[in-house]
Amino acid sequence: EIVLTQSPGTLSLSPGERATLSCRASQTVATSYLAWYQQKPGQAPRLLIYGASSRATGIPDRFSGSGSGTDFTLIINRLEPEDFAVYYCQQYGSSPFTFGPGTKVDVK
Amino acid sequence: QLQLQESGPGLVKPSETLSLTCSVSYDSISGSDYYWSWIRQPPGKGLEWIATIYYTGSTYYNPSLMSRVSISADTSKNQFSLKLSSVTAADMAIYYCARRPNTGWYFDLWGRGTLVTVSS
Repeated sequence: EIVLTQSPGTLSLSPGERATLSCRASQTVATSYLAWYQQKPGQAPRLLIYGASSRATGIPDRFSGSGSGTDFTLIINRLEPEDFAVYYCQQYGSSPFTFGPGTKVDVK
Repeated sequence: QLQLQESGPGLVKPSETLSLTCSVSYDSISGSDYYWSWIRQPPGKGLEWIATIYYTGSTYYNPSLMSRVSISADTSKNQFSLKLSSVTAADMAIYYCARRPNTGWYFDLWGRGTLVTVSS
């Protein structure tokens, strides 16, 4: 099973700043099969990025994903008030398909 | 607009079977473009994929739960269901149903989730 580690656990930033979130896998994620989700309190996760760098439908271009192998990054440029949430990465290169523990982006 | 809605008992006794249903609106679970899944999240914790079903009847399970889990679909009602047997306190979670496109094992649409408490 591939274990995902996300860092930092919490990221405290101000609106307008740039957020850089990291996701590291315990083994190579095949074909960059990595997704990112956003979850707000009391809501279901929302798909942001799949295939490491492809934005899902309707996702603003301030969200961008990159990486390959075992190291992946989600960048949120110019944080908007609605971007403060928890972000999860998920690998789908091999079963079982696993999620990281999440990074909380909160207001500084 | 496509919607997924979970339903089922919010309280299950230890050792009993948890049963949940996901009703899909404005799309058919019989189509070939998507798979249909269950994912859970213990309160305040991370996400765990449980199981997935395809319109052909093919099923996929997380090995950690496989011995206790069953996923099925009722295409006439456009619903799919989850059964988890011998529940314990560790199974207490928000259970989400979700859609997986046939392009990869990520989840592009989720239901709002339903909290299942395990308690006597």
